[in-house]
Amino acid sequence: AQSVSQHNHHVILSEAASLELGCNYSYGGTVNLFWYVQYPGQHLQLLLKYFSGDPLVKGIKGFEAEFIKSKFSFNLRKPSVQWSDTAEYFCAVNRDYGQNFVFGPGTRLSVLP
Amino acid sequence: EPEVTQTPSHQVTQMGQEVILRCVPISNHLYFYWYRQILGQKVEFLVSFYNNEISEKSEIFDDQFSVERPDGSNFTLKIRSTKLEDSAMYFCASKGDSNQPQHFGDGTRLSIL
Repeated sequence: AQSVSQHNHHVILSEAASLELGCNYSYGGTVNLFWYVQYPGQHLQLLLKYFSGDPLVKGIKGFEAEFIKSKFSFNLRKPSVQWSDTAEYFCAVNRDYGQNFVFGPGTRLSVLP
Repeated sequence: EPEVTQTPSHQVTQMGQEVILRCVPISNHLYFYWYRQILGQKVEFLVSFYNNEISEKSEIFDDQFSVERPDGSNFTLKIRSTKLEDSAMYFCASKGDSNQPQHFGDGTRLSIL
């Protein structure tokens, strides 16, 4: 079955530290990849997406992610986090032209001022 | 920017009662989804809907659940006889075509007493 794993349950960083959140998926076919963010008390918002082309994808708020097909990974990065980045981050995968998403379990990011 | 809207934001219901969660997807979107997020857990797919019928559903979406698009604008999720374990945040999502990301609503928090 298709599954998505995220390496860290909770990450705590100080402001200006660099961030990398891991995401791996198990599906072997063509996939579309997404990172969503959920700020406390709010809905899921799309950070960035990968469909095809350049495997390094840039999203909103200074986030980027790199698709490494050979590693089945789509890690999220940000060079310098801010307190306002405190949120839950979800990696999601859906098959090419597939219907539903499979979400990872989420990683809680706490940024200390 | 158009958005997906969900009502109510919080629904409290006695166990065994029927509940209907309402969603208004983005107006020109064709694909509709329901997800749920039990407190502290990951987002789980429930059902997808396209061309006036269910296109895919998870094992969670049993006979107690149903979806409907009654009037061309609303997309509802009905739980016929609620259980305590139905307490969760329910997210509606929609997308315009098969190769686009889903846009999520703010969610409805369902509390079963």
